[in-house]
Amino acid sequence: AQSVTQLGSHVSVSEGALVLLRCNYSSSVPPYLFWYVQYPNQGLQLLLKYTSAATLVKGINGFEAEFKKSETSFHLTKPSAHMSDAAEYFCAVLNYGGSQGNLIFGKGTKLSVKP
Amino acid sequence: GAVVSQHPSRVICKSGTSVKIECRSLDFQATTMFWYRQFPKKSLMLMATSNEGSKATYEQGVEKDKFLINHASLTLSTLTVTSAHPEDSSFYICSATPGTSGGELFFGEGSRLTVL
Repeated sequence: AQSVTQLGSHVSVSEGALVLLRCNYSSSVPPYLFWYVQYPNQGLQLLLKYTSAATLVKGINGFEAEFKKSETSFHLTKPSAHMSDAAEYFCAVLNYGGSQGNLIFGKGTKLSVKP
Repeated sequence: GAVVSQHPSRVICKSGTSVKIECRSLDFQATTMFWYRQFPKKSLMLMATSNEGSKATYEQGVEKDKFLINHASLTLSTLTVTSAHPEDSSFYICSATPGTSGGELFFGEGSRLTVL
């Protein structure tokens, strides 16, 4: 079975500072991993995905994530935070188990950006 | 990317009434759509998998008689919350995949249901 764990339910950074949102996964098969962003009262928008190609994945809005098998991690980073980055971020893994094609989500990390 | 549209975005209803939420894939065909429920400050919990032309597959603990799912065509799935109660108030989100997106799901905008 697959699962993801997001460390830190709330992360606060200053504008211009590094953003680091942590995600660790558990999977018995090579995982497909995703990061989504959710703005208040909206659906989810894909930031980036890892599908067993390059381990460093670049996404939209300047975000990137690195797949590290040895650490079972897929942390999301952005060199310089912008006020518009304030949102909820979800790490997810493709479910190879019961509901084929479904994603299993972490609990989410709320990112706050201070001026 | 592929577009999934959900309607209505917000709905308020009285306790005991039924509410229907629509999920449409606008530019691709989706044989499978997923319905999630999101509680305040919580993650997304899969409710059911909607399959075109067949019965939905419900996750454990989800009442299939309360949350009726119909996948009428390759571009439309509906979720009907029957005899709604205040505890059904939540944010419901649908998602779908064209099947060629490397596992990526495309999400609707979500529907905020408030049951008075």
